[in-house]
Amino acid sequence: EAQVTQNPRYLITVTGKKLTVTCSQNMNHEYMSWYRQDPGLGLRQIYYSMNVEVTDKGDVPEGYKVSRKEKRNFPLILESPSPNQTSLYFCASSLWGGSYEQYFGPGTRLTVT
Amino acid sequence: KNEVEQSPQNLTAQEGEFITINCSYSVGISALHWLQQHPGGGIVSLFMLSSGKKKHGRLIATINIQEKHSSLHITASHPRDSAVYICAVGQGGSEKLVFGKGTKLTVNP
Repeated sequence: EAQVTQNPRYLITVTGKKLTVTCSQNMNHEYMSWYRQDPGLGLRQIYYSMNVEVTDKGDVPEGYKVSRKEKRNFPLILESPSPNQTSLYFCASSLWGGSYEQYFGPGTRLTVT
Repeated sequence: KNEVEQSPQNLTAQEGEFITINCSYSVGISALHWLQQHPGGGIVSLFMLSSGKKKHGRLIATINIQEKHSSLHITASHPRDSAVYICAVGQGGSEKLVFGKGTKLTVNP
């Protein structure tokens, strides 16, 4: 089954404790992206990647890191999480960029206390 | 002003009604997406448009490139259509996606 998986689905952590949210797709897609969703603000793009070792900032990259060492994986790293990063996070992939159908992961609800 | 504006923000309808959700954008685009998010959070892609009109079952999406406007129509609405509908545009010249804030649709039986 074609899918995008994220782990963990729920995470409660404390300020400053480094964490990684994993994202994996099994569709051989070139494009992968991370979004955060906040009430009243909608979805906002954090980072995206067009290919292995190629990443670009979205609209809200501050406080986040990403890496794309393999085509199927695109982890999101919060090196020093803060309460304002409490949010619902989605990973997505597509064949090649924003002009193709987007496939979303199930979401990760992160709470930083 | 947001680059992608949706209207209305909230919409309540009776089962069977014809529903229209609008999306206007101010940037050059490569494609426009309509997404559906059910309570519980999962997001699925309904349509991707770069011109014209697409239809899938009771859902119809149209786009007018000159007017920078798209509409999502739902015919014979049903309570299971209750969800948040999100418009997103792929920006021309980059692969960034910009999203509208969503339209929350409630269809009552």
